[in-house]
Amino acid sequence: KQEVTQIPAALSVPEGENLVLNCSFTDSAIYNLQWFRQDPGKGLTSLLLIQSSQREQTSGRLNASLDKSSGRSTLYIAASQPGDSATYLCAASAHQTGANNLFFGTGTRLTVIP
Amino acid sequence: GAVVSQHPSWVICKSGTSVKIECRSLDFQATTMFWYRQFPKQSLMLMATSNEGSKATYEQGVEKDKFLINHASLTLSTLTVTSAHPEDSSFYICSARDRGLGETQYFGPGTRLLVL
Repeated sequence: KQEVTQIPAALSVPEGENLVLNCSFTDSAIYNLQWFRQDPGKGLTSLLLIQSSQREQTSGRLNASLDKSSGRSTLYIAASQPGDSATYLCAASAHQTGANNLFFGTGTRLTVIP
Repeated sequence: GAVVSQHPSWVICKSGTSVKIECRSLDFQATTMFWYRQFPKQSLMLMATSNEGSKATYEQGVEKDKFLINHASLTLSTLTVTSAHPEDSSFYICSARDRGLGETQYFGPGTRLLVL
């Protein structure tokens, strides 16, 4: 069974700093990997989706990388802002069933201090 | 586009009662819907997958007789927590997928259930 781990569990940074969130998964046979943002008591907002054949995806100040061989993905946030404060979740999808089954990490709670 | 809504957003009920949560795709046809549960400080765990017009597939450890899922139309799925107990208190999130839009799952805002 796929296990997804995110480190660190919580992170506080001053505004303007660049930061990296880490995600690791045990089964490299993934279909894709997604990064989500979850605000307190709210649902999930998809940030980036990396297909298994891709190595990275970029959207604005966000850049996500994928290294299947090592079972790792990173989310890079440039020039962090207080509005970036949220919990960031990564999720790996099972290869056998396409995107039917997403295995989520426990998240990294990010606080950007003004 | 690709908006998913849930109703209610939060519910408090007494132990032993049943609670129904609705998940709707507002601007697309959801051929598949997923139900997740998230306990405090834990990750989302998939409970079940439902395809329109067929029975839901439950994940190991999820009681199908306790968590009734109905996906009768392409825009609506319901999750009924029967005879709810305090340990069922959790954050329930649904997601929906339309094959025509690819493999992406679109998530609802979630429903917080508190069973007293």
